[in-house]
Amino acid sequence: DGGITQSPKYLFRKEGQNVTLSCEQNLNHDAMYWYRQDPGQGLRLIYYSQIVNDFQKGDIAEGYSVSREKKESFPLTVTSAQKNPTAFYLCASSLPRAHNQPQHFGDGTRLSIL
Amino acid sequence: AQKITQTQPGMFVQEKEAVTLDCTYDTSDPSYGLFWYKQPSSGEMIFLIYQGSYDQQNATEGRYSLNFQKARKSANLVISASQLGDSAMYFCAMREGSGGYQKVTFGIGTKLQVIP
Repeated sequence: DGGITQSPKYLFRKEGQNVTLSCEQNLNHDAMYWYRQDPGQGLRLIYYSQIVNDFQKGDIAEGYSVSREKKESFPLTVTSAQKNPTAFYLCASSLPRAHNQPQHFGDGTRLSIL
Repeated sequence: AQKITQTQPGMFVQEKEAVTLDCTYDTSDPSYGLFWYKQPSSGEMIFLIYQGSYDQQNATEGRYSLNFQKARKSANLVISASQLGDSAMYFCAMREGSGGYQKVTFGIGTKLQVIP
């Protein structure tokens, strides 16, 4: 079955440490996204990518970095510059440039500070 | 102004009853799409239903229907015959823009609890 796989499910970060969240999809989607979800808030866009080797900042990109070297993969690095990284992170993919295409989501990664 | 507004932080509904979750949106783009997602406590986001801005009829998917009132910019989700498994967070979202990137904006969600 096609889908999006996020790993790990739970992740703990020490002070000053960079951590990388994995996102892999086999849906053959060009567009991929990273969202952050905090309690009582909706999803906020961190980064998105419409094509391999290209990505753009979303609304809350500070303290995060991404790469898109393969169509299937869109890893997110939470850097030490992100002072409040505790949140639920969701990766999504979709077909681009079509209003009727829903986003498909992974199961998420819960990141906490040690 | 908020792009997507969900004004009901929490809702209760009796099992087997219908419930309406409210969503209003704001856009100046004539072409857009509206989506509802369900998020159980496990965290995954599940796509439920889609409504396009040019669609003449309200969308339906099984027990889910979308009450689309374009002039009022509202896209309420109606769940008929509620089941215990419907207890979850529900998010309204809008995809807008033309050409390259199409921005997707989410509301803050409504927590639905189905009472046996």
